[in-house]
Amino acid sequence: SQTIHQWPATLVQPVGSPLSLECTVEGTSNPNLYWYRQAAGRGLQLLFYSVGIGQISSEVPQNLSASRPQDRQFILSSKKLLLSDSGFYLCAWRWASGRDTQYFGPGTRLTVL
Amino acid sequence: QKEVEQNSGPLSVPEGAIASLNCTYSDRGSQSFFWYRQYSGKSPELIMFIYSNGDKEDGRFTAQLNKASQYVSLLIRDSQPSDSATYLCAVNNGITGGGNKLTFGTGTQLKVEL
Repeated sequence: SQTIHQWPATLVQPVGSPLSLECTVEGTSNPNLYWYRQAAGRGLQLLFYSVGIGQISSEVPQNLSASRPQDRQFILSSKKLLLSDSGFYLCAWRWASGRDTQYFGPGTRLTVL
Repeated sequence: QKEVEQNSGPLSVPEGAIASLNCTYSDRGSQSFFWYRQYSGKSPELIMFIYSNGDKEDGRFTAQLNKASQYVSLLIRDSQPSDSATYLCAVNNGITGGGNKLTFGTGTQLKVEL
């Protein structure tokens, strides 16, 4: 079976500090991977997606970046956090081919102070 | 811009009643439709997906799709307090490549009252 992990679960960071969130998937190969942000009371906003190692597509220009150094690892980063970066960050995966159902990880709740 | 619209609620139903959640979408090319449940503070979990017009049943849940009218709904029979959550509708336009992105609605909050 497939499992998706995210860490840390919660994070409190000062404005201007760097960020690194990690997502890993087990039990599948070459998944499509996604980073979403959900601000308080808001919908899911797609930030980045990746269809393979080193392949990153950005949906929303901002001070965040993503990388995929390994097949089942997806990292979200920032050099300097803004207050507006606070939110619930969700990683999701789907099979590389076939049905397009996405499965979400447990999420990271980020508070920028 | 592709949009998915949901009534934010809250939708309140008594325990044992049928809860009806609705979603409309703007992209006529949409091919795949999903319902996720999200408890407060938790990540979304998949409840159902539907690809063809008509009804699809899974236990107490029934998804209904009408592509001509561009809406998809979720019925929850015999609603339980544990069904109280926010329900997210998601749509995929079916274009292969490009990451097969989903567009999400902002969700409908459901409250099942004793």
